[in-house]
Amino acid sequence: NAGVTQTPKFQVLKTGQSMTLQCAQDMNHEYMSWYRQDPGMGLRLIHYSVGAGITDQGEVPNGYNVSRSTTEDFPLRLLSAAPSQTSVYFCASTYREGNYGYTFGSGTRLTVV
Amino acid sequence: GQQVMQIPQYQHVQEGEDFTTYCNSSTTLSNIQWYKQRPGGHPVFLIQLVKSGEVKKQKRLTFQFGEAKKNSSLHITATQTTDVGTYFCALMGGSNYKLTFGKGTLLTVNP
Repeated sequence: NAGVTQTPKFQVLKTGQSMTLQCAQDMNHEYMSWYRQDPGMGLRLIHYSVGAGITDQGEVPNGYNVSRSTTEDFPLRLLSAAPSQTSVYFCASTYREGNYGYTFGSGTRLTVV
Repeated sequence: GQQVMQIPQYQHVQEGEDFTTYCNSSTTLSNIQWYKQRPGGHPVFLIQLVKSGEVKKQKRLTFQFGEAKKNSSLHITATQTTDVGTYFCALMGGSNYKLTFGKGTLLTVNP
């Protein structure tokens, strides 16, 4: 089925560990974004990309890296996990043109202990 | 960057009652989007509003964009238990499609 696929769905990390959250879409969307969702804080933009090879920082980029080597994939890397990064992470994508909303993945629930 | 204030933060209604959530901005918005997130789920796009004074309907949902393009509302007529969730408004930032969300309104419905 066409859509945004995120893996893993759940992850527990120890403080200081690194990991990569995977995001892939098969809709040929140009724009992709990563959000984190915390209780009472809504959805906050971490990083976004407007095309392969182009990324930019969002509202809360510290502690995270991204790259966009292909149109389909937009992985999010946690460099050295901290308890403050415990959150639900959503990847989303959309077309460059037209009045389309973002399509979201089902999320990754990350706990850092 | 642009921000929106979304109110109320929470709303509890009896099934069959109406519900409205509002998004307000201090600056003029180019467009606004609305999303719904069911408990434990992911946000799902509902609609985008672009024109001043625009009104769009989806069954029992009515979306409005203010004349000054500084506010928007989502109204649900005769709520049902399937309407439970958090409703977010979101702004698209210019040409880079950077989407900024309001904090959302959590709707609960008592059957």
